[in-house]
Amino acid sequence: DAGVIQSPRHEVTEMGQEVTLRCKPISGHNSLFWYRQTMMRGLELLIYFNNNVPIDDSGMPEDRFSAKMPNASFSTLKIQPSEPRDSAVYFCASSDRGTGSGANVLTFGAGSRLTVL
Amino acid sequence: GENVEQHPSTLSVQEGDSAVIKCTYSDSASNYFPWYKQELGKRPQLIIDIRSNVGEKKDQRIAVTLNKTAKHFSLHITETQPEDSAVYFCAASKGGNKLVFGAGTILRVKS
Repeated sequence: DAGVIQSPRHEVTEMGQEVTLRCKPISGHNSLFWYRQTMMRGLELLIYFNNNVPIDDSGMPEDRFSAKMPNASFSTLKIQPSEPRDSAVYFCASSDRGTGSGANVLTFGAGSRLTVL
Repeated sequence: GENVEQHPSTLSVQEGDSAVIKCTYSDSASNYFPWYKQELGKRPQLIIDIRSNVGEKKDQRIAVTLNKTAKHFSLHITETQPEDSAVYFCAASKGGNKLVFGAGTILRVKS
């Protein structure tokens, strides 16, 4: 498996523009997580899905942020409109909620580095 | 909700010495405690994890201990090497649910 695939790897945009980050989880994983990493706030969980259903979005900072998972192999995180304080690295991660020894082990994608000017 | 505190925030050790990073958690129902290593510009990667039915787990030079009564767990790295230099994160979750991370420890191994 190619692991968790994120795109784009880098995005530079201007304040007010819409940003869409994409994620393809590991095949067979049934949980997907979006994290944001900044120096000030560390790794923050924004939202997670189980079996494509959003379970907890309490970490989504504002209504400007939205996330979808239309099927088991694709998720998006959208910011509209973007602001400079949204600049961060956004990680997608996936895991298997099964009962084996690898259950709940989180595998991260390479991240999307967002810069909002 | 779960809160994970991690100490120290930075740690410098001489090559060959041991390093210990400690974490405490707040939710007594948490039962899964992984440790991630993140090198500069890279993604966090799992290095070791422990589940609440064991007290200690070892993998070569790294080990993790768990004290459920006190709600704390620790990462031990022996015989440190320059390539161990990175940011280390502890985390806790109630199996299958969201993983809450500590703030991270910057480990510097001086050669």
